[in-house]
Amino acid sequence: EAEVAQSPRYKITEKSQAVAFWCDPISGHATLYWYRQILGQGPELLVQFQDESVVDDSQLPKDRFSAERLKGVDSTLKIQPAELGDSAMYLCASSFLSGRVRGNEQFFGPGTRLTVL
Amino acid sequence: GNSVTQMEGPVTLSEEAFLTINCTYTATGYPSLFWYVQYPGEGLQLLLKATKADDKGSNKGFEATYRKETTSFHLEKGSVQVSDSAVYFCALLVMNTGFQKLVFGTGTRLLVSP
Repeated sequence: EAEVAQSPRYKITEKSQAVAFWCDPISGHATLYWYRQILGQGPELLVQFQDESVVDDSQLPKDRFSAERLKGVDSTLKIQPAELGDSAMYLCASSFLSGRVRGNEQFFGPGTRLTVL
Repeated sequence: GNSVTQMEGPVTLSEEAFLTINCTYTATGYPSLFWYVQYPGEGLQLLLKATKADDKGSNKGFEATYRKETTSFHLEKGSVQVSDSAVYFCALLVMNTGFQKLVFGTGTRLLVSP
């Protein structure tokens, strides 16, 4: 069964360092999402891609976070510099249909747990 | 705005007990509704969904009915198992700037004991 792949699964870093997370969506999925899930809370959308284009990054802290999906397939989320408050689970999801389609199901990867010391 | 409110956990039950996890929502427009489950250390898995009023989503013995009049989507299961222990998230999918956006509740932890 096709799955969304993420790496690394765990990352420990010191504040002010740079970190990067990678996501490979299910093959053929045009839409890719990055979420941040703080412990004890639900996931919050950071950025949404349609193919290689960003369609929603309204919740992305752009002074330190960046995301790209250069060829419209896999994606990288970067934080530079990391802060203590960035400690969270970072989840990637993908969907086959365009984000314009009603009821479009999102499939989630296992996540990357980031700890900033 | 768009938001989801879930009952606070943990919900602690004995095996074979009846489960209800309440979920209510506010939304601009006509959302689709979802329940996701998250097992320890894992990502989210779709449990069930409903896309219009009065639809009932069901999967693995869980079910939820889209109630537009009460803006609710409560999750139920007739007989829980220890393996159902997890965190359950209610979510709504709404249009945002031409694309759909998934908004989650805070999650409800379920603990089932033998």
